[in-house]
Amino acid sequence: SQQGEEDPQALSIQEGENATMNCSYKTSINNLQWYRQNSGRGLVHLILIRSNEREKHSGRLRVTLDTSKKSSSLLITASRAADTASYFCATPPFTKRDDKIIFGKGTRLHILP
Amino acid sequence: DTGVSQDPRHKITKRGQNVTFRCDPISEHNRLYWYRQTLGQGPEFLTYFQNEAQLEKSRLLSDRFSAERPKGSFSTLEIQRTEQGDSAMYLCASSWGQGEEDEQYFGPGTRLTVT
Repeated sequence: SQQGEEDPQALSIQEGENATMNCSYKTSINNLQWYRQNSGRGLVHLILIRSNEREKHSGRLRVTLDTSKKSSSLLITASRAADTASYFCATPPFTKRDDKIIFGKGTRLHILP
Repeated sequence: DTGVSQDPRHKITKRGQNVTFRCDPISEHNRLYWYRQTLGQGPEFLTYFQNEAQLEKSRLLSDRFSAERPKGSFSTLEIQRTEQGDSAMYLCASSWGQGEEDEQYFGPGTRLTVT
């Protein structure tokens, strides 16, 4: 079952603009992670934000977490062609009996030259 | 450190055949994960090892799927009597850590096509 859902499913922006994608989840979590996947390749871990954190930065990435709304956002500032990829949020499972970390369907980001 | 490697990168097989994939994790990592990913979807968890012990197995993993990590290093994922629905990218990841805050390092994947 899907825990995290990214929005939008696809996003095209001009190079240099900022890109924002959102993730909503269903149950309480201890942490939320964002990963990037370039076409046909494995995933790369970007950032982890804990439930007691509201915002976290890493280079051009800014992640926020609103536990009251059960949502997170990933902002990429000053986008570059190399940012073209799919972005996934990932959350721990519902219960101990369920699967491990659960990925959403992803947001496909396309940076236009 | 060359990262997580997977072999083969691509596999085309006929329905009913058995296939085996290999994953070599980052050497100091104690955890190893297998995921399946279909087009337009996120990775779906299949199974996970801590050292040589297989600790969790998804309900998605039918009896035709088996995974091993005999010496706590590399792992193999075997699919018996393949079906067309098994066509997907099979991803391996490894991590070193405790609990649910592992940063997972992914391999490039093995793309399976069942004809």
